[in-house]
Amino acid sequence: QSALTQPPSASGSPGQSVAISCTGTSSDVGTYNYVSWYQHHPDKAPKLIIYEVTKRPSGVPDRFSGSKSGNTASLTVSGLQAEDEADYYCCSYGGNSNWVFGGGTKLTVL
Amino acid sequence: EVQLVESGGGLVQPGGSLRLSCSASGFTIPNFWIHWVRQAPGKGLVWVSYINGDGSNRNYADSVKGRFIVSRDDAKNTVYLQMNSLRVEDTGIYYCGRDQHYSMDVWGQGTTVTVSS
Repeated sequence: QSALTQPPSASGSPGQSVAISCTGTSSDVGTYNYVSWYQHHPDKAPKLIIYEVTKRPSGVPDRFSGSKSGNTASLTVSGLQAEDEADYYCCSYGGNSNWVFGGGTKLTVL
Repeated sequence: EVQLVESGGGLVQPGGSLRLSCSASGFTIPNFWIHWVRQAPGKGLVWVSYINGDGSNRNYADSVKGRFIVSRDDAKNTVYLQMNSLRVEDTGIYYCGRDQHYSMDVWGQGTTVTVSS
């Protein structure tokens, strides 16, 4: 399984929206609606913010949303806040009990 | 409180072994699949392994297949990752995560493994 492709960095000003892409293949993102997104602050445990492409766990603000088209999933963060500055990772189920993460995107709030 | 706590990390020489533990509280492990994910220094998250609810199915990333073994002790509410033939490139923080809907909804704080001579 090759890692999913994410841009290494993204940025936006407070209040703006930013989208982070996650490109896989027809063997993972393109086939399964099991794409999840994680927010990871340094020295903390990763936090699930989106599962099954579009669903938000309880307690995650609705500023975070997910979508998918073909082999590419996307995470959109609206109304950027300073505390959103973190690393973001996508992950997809790849069949046959395999999972694959993206390389991660460092989100900077300007 | 639902929680996972990893332990067992440390410094080991190349070719050596370590056993990591992932202890659960606030929920019973037999009801859930559990994943291991690692992060090398300065790098991203990488899926390592998973074990299903009754231990009948488990899988590994190609990079650790044949060297790592995941197991569970339901009486201790703990999942283990036995790491053998360790390589320098196995260095990193190892997290365990609880599976829900093919995603990881609860994570531990991680345990650090350093493989170095």
